[in-house]
Amino acid sequence: EDQVTQSPEALRLQEGESSSLNCSYTVSGLRGLFWYRQDPGKGPEFLFTLYSAGEEKEKERLKATLTKKESFLHITAPKPEDSATYLCAVQASYKPMDSSYKLIFGSGTRLLVRP
Amino acid sequence: NAGVTQTPKFRILKIGQSMTLQCTQDMNHNYMYWYRQDPGMGLKLIYYSVGAGITDKGEVPNGYNVSRSTTEDFPLRLELAAPSQTSVYFCASTKLTGGRSANYGYTFGSGTRLTVV
Repeated sequence: EDQVTQSPEALRLQEGESSSLNCSYTVSGLRGLFWYRQDPGKGPEFLFTLYSAGEEKEKERLKATLTKKESFLHITAPKPEDSATYLCAVQASYKPMDSSYKLIFGSGTRLLVRP
Repeated sequence: NAGVTQTPKFRILKIGQSMTLQCTQDMNHNYMYWYRQDPGMGLKLIYYSVGAGITDKGEVPNGYNVSRSTTEDFPLRLELAAPSQTSVYFCASTKLTGGRSANYGYTFGSGTRLTVV
């Protein structure tokens, strides 16, 4: 069964204290791994897509990496405005030999950055 | 560009009532999705569509129906509302070519918060 597990569930950091969020997955036919940011009461906001093991992408204080079994979201010198829930999702082919794709989400990591 | 627009933002239903959640996108995306998000949980796929006239069930389709008569619109119908359908509903869309989305990934609406009492 396709599964995405994120850890930790919650993370509290001091401003400037770097850390990493983990996303491990088991999926047949991976067609990409996505990271999203979600603020309270809002829809998920796209951050990154990674397609191949070894691929890395950066945006401001965030850097996402991908291996064959997991992805990491590294947060360097975070600021209070980085506080949010970070969602990981894998794109899988919904039906074999079909063009139907879906995103399978983890339950997220709630990040709080204190000033 | 409005992106993905969902209406209403909030709704309270009584048990047994029906309603339609509206979703419209103006990006000419071929794929559209409905997800629900329960507190502290990830998003679960309800229904999806790969193009106008084509829809299929996701992981949790019971109690819901969809239609896709145009590229832009993908309404979600709740029949005989039950307390278990209390949740936040998100519509999403993307343009997939060969299984790859554009650099903006899947675009989500701002959600509809539904309470069934």
